[in-house]
Amino acid sequence: EAGVTQFPSHSVIEKGQTVTLRCDPISGHDNLYWYRRVMGKEIKFLLHFVKESKQDESGMPNNRFLAERTGGTYSTLKVQPAELEDSGVYFCASSQGGVNTGELFFGEGSRLTVL
Amino acid sequence: GNSVTQMEGPVTLSEEAFLTINCTYTATGYPSLFWYVQYPGEGLQLLLKATKADDKGSNKGFEATYRKETTSFHLEKGSVQVSDSAVYFCALSGSNDMRFGAGTRLTVKP
Repeated sequence: EAGVTQFPSHSVIEKGQTVTLRCDPISGHDNLYWYRRVMGKEIKFLLHFVKESKQDESGMPNNRFLAERTGGTYSTLKVQPAELEDSGVYFCASSQGGVNTGELFFGEGSRLTVL
Repeated sequence: GNSVTQMEGPVTLSEEAFLTINCTYTATGYPSLFWYVQYPGEGLQLLLKATKADDKGSNKGFEATYRKETTSFHLEKGSVQVSDSAVYFCALSGSNDMRFGAGTRLTVKP
């Protein structure tokens, strides 16, 4: 069974440019989460999809971030325009049930560097 | 709101040494508690979990006990190996999301 895959593994862009990160969850997992870890600090929640619907997007930092999950399969996270403070590692995770019912399966992360 | 605080790293130990990584939490209700581990070049993976007070989670020689009275979930291992070198994250789950600590990098030297 394939795990959670993320693309790209590393992206280097200049301030003001646009980047789109992609996450393919484990097949059949309705729950998809995006998290971000900045400079060795805690992993912070960004948002949670249940199928194609945004269940909770309270962690999205501002309107420069847009997440979509068309058809309830893969998800994209677009940052436009990128700022220096957006640099970090963006993790995607999926699960069959909610967070209390089982574990989250994480991808390897997409490292974003904004210069 | 819910939050997790874990000891800052990095932690460097010799092989066969005893490991403790402290984790305390703040939460409303009755969260589940987790330890995740990230090995070099890999994604986070669940190491162990405990779903209620006094539960002990264990896996691969690691243990952690859910202590409601001290709001703690410290990770321990009696004898670490070089292969345990990784970043360890304490986490708790609320009703809809998972909150993580800052991570503790462990390096085990031969």
